Amino acid sequence: DVKVTQSSRYLVKRTGEKVFLECVQDMDHENMFWYRQDPGLGLRLIYFSYDVKMKEKGDIPEGYSVSREKKERFSLILESASTNQTSMYLCASSFPPGRGGQETQYFGPGTRLLVL
Amino acid sequence: SQKIEQNSEALNIQEGKTATLTCNYTNYSPAYLQWYRQDPGRGPVFLLLIRENEKEKRKERLKVTFDTTLKQSLFHITASQPADSATYLCALGRNSGYALNFGKGTSLLVTP
Repeated sequence: DVKVTQSSRYLVKRTGEKVFLECVQDMDHENMFWYRQDPGLGLRLIYFSYDVKMKEKGDIPEGYSVSREKKERFSLILESASTNQTSMYLCASSFPPGRGGQETQYFGPGTRLLVL
Repeated sequence: SQKIEQNSEALNIQEGKTATLTCNYTNYSPAYLQWYRQDPGRGPVFLLLIRENEKEKRKERLKVTFDTTLKQSLFHITASQPADSATYLCALGRNSGYALNFGKGTSLLVTP
């Protein structure tokens, strides 16, 4: 079974703090994604990565950065947390286009972040 | 701009009935469409995928249809059970792309 784990289920941070959210997958997937999910807005893509050290902006990258130093690990960084970044953060992984089953994304359990 | 619409109101049905959820899209030509289930406080879990050249797909009590002319997918759960209560998300994707575009989801409540 594919397993995607996230470093924390719940996190409370203060405005201005630097926040790291870690995601690890064990399926040797090339693609990894970070989403945030808010009531009424659904899942919105922040960043994704299709290979080590490669990254692409999603729909809402402002205020975030990412790091992919190893294939299995994808980190989301909030350089200076703000209250409007309070949200549920979901990590996902998948195979690349051209591989069988590449369309399916496997999600982690999510990190609920509260910024005070 | 591309838009994916799912029933915003929660769907309440009685156990044993068939639940039907709708996903409509505009300004998009997806190569495939997926349905995911999400329980409160959890990440989405993949259920079914249907490609643009397929009309219907089944998996146990689940059935998905895909009408590229109407730009619509219907997701059916037959003989629904209280354990089917969850939020269901549709997601569209292209063969050349990496990312999926998700709808906002429809909440389903199955009562005994």
